Amino acid sequence: QVQLVQSGAEVKKPGASVKVSCKASGYTFTGHYIHWVRQAPGQGLEWMGWINLNSGGRNYAQKFQGRVTMTRDTSVSTAYMELSRLRSDDTALYYCARDLEPSDAYSYASFDYWGQGTLVTVSS
Amino acid sequence: QSALTQPPSASGSPGQSVTISCTGTSSDVGAYNYVSWYQQYPGKAPKLIIYEVSKRPSGVPDRFSGSKSGNTASLTVSGLQSEDEADYYCSSYAGSNTFVIFGGGTKLTVL
Repeated sequence: QVQLVQSGAEVKKPGASVKVSCKASGYTFTGHYIHWVRQAPGQGLEWMGWINLNSGGRNYAQKFQGRVTMTRDTSVSTAYMELSRLRSDDTALYYCARDLEPSDAYSYASFDYWGQGTLVTVSS
Repeated sequence: QSALTQPPSASGSPGQSVTISCTGTSSDVGAYNYVSWYQQYPGKAPKLIIYEVSKRPSGVPDRFSGSKSGNTASLTVSGLQSEDEADYYCSSYAGSNTFVIFGGGTKLTVL
């Protein structure tokens, strides 16, 4: 069965960086895009960007341009999201999510499998 | 672009039907037939229940249905059951620049 397993919770100081991992199993890793979506405490969902695990292509939300980097390591079926220059309002649950569409098709932003989430707390 | 507009709450009794709206603009909901709906229980990850306005992934009960008219999409839950009590989020593809916008979420209570 398809599974996305994320790394554990992180506590960071303002200005630091955090790198969250998302290990995929149960399907061909490069077969689908991976997206990153975050959810601040008690708030809604916010899309951060996607990475095409086959081509390595990326598309970041404008809000995060210059602060976010999405990468992948196909040898271990793992995607990564690194967010730099952290602020207190970056405190959130960060999810990876698989795109419904295959990598060789265009993504229309439907996410059929989600990781369990990684809580990132930014506090001095 | 602003978030899609959803009512903060909705409710219904077991067996009844409830509809949750999701209002966007002519640049997102109105422009594309790529509206998705997600169900989220407290402390859990969202689950896709509707995509491309009205399609259900395998395993999602047909009590869940989606539709769209103009700039407003809707999720209808028929035959409400206690396990339907959750938060529901809509999203819409919004073109290559913005890509996707989410709604603010609706808390569904089964009375």
